[in-house]
Amino acid sequence: DTAVSQTPKYLVTQMGNDKSIKCEQNLGHDTMYWYKQDSKKFLKIMFSYNNKELIINETVPNRFSPKSPDKAHLNLHINSLELGDSAVYFCASSPVEVTGELFFGEGSRLTVL
Amino acid sequence: AQSVTQLGSHVSVSEGALVLLRCNYSSSVPPYLFWYVQYPNQGLQLLLKYTSAATLVKGINGFEAEFKKSETSFHLTKPSAHMSDAAEYFCAVSLSGTYKYIFGTGTRLKVLA
Repeated sequence: DTAVSQTPKYLVTQMGNDKSIKCEQNLGHDTMYWYKQDSKKFLKIMFSYNNKELIINETVPNRFSPKSPDKAHLNLHINSLELGDSAVYFCASSPVEVTGELFFGEGSRLTVL
Repeated sequence: AQSVTQLGSHVSVSEGALVLLRCNYSSSVPPYLFWYVQYPNQGLQLLLKYTSAATLVKGINGFEAEFKKSETSFHLTKPSAHMSDAAEYFCAVSLSGTYKYIFGTGTRLKVLA
């Protein structure tokens, strides 16, 4: 059983399109995250939800909209895709205590042409 | 604000040699520190974490790290490198009372036969 699963694993799309990435965790964690990893492997936090409530919203364009229908799911929708959005997007989850580790999905590689 | 600096974006060692990956943190309060490993086309997985219980932390795959408050460092070591250790390594910090994890820029470890 995959602990944190993301779909799709690969997306290739044209500029201006809209795309979504889904994430599900079966660990029973209360907190979920979206991270963006660029071509230089730099990891930047985008959003975090705790029990369906948005708790971290970094400086991310409004074109990115997270949605958490329940605490086991956190989806990411991206409108009007731009070339600079090409990256690997990682979903992660963690237990409520902040000393807990992050559990990462395998990533979704988005390529915008 | 807390931050993490990893010295050396690329490190090469011979198989069987000592591995030393450097991480320095900046934090006004006691931090929680983590090392993660990322293998190609995979998500990150935890190697070890420091949460103030002991300054020398042992992790998986023979890795360990020592928390040195006076040097604000949390360097990762392994006595003898194995070919399978070749990967990207990330140091990360989180602050008590927050859900925010900040990652360093990563160090790519290459193991030479």
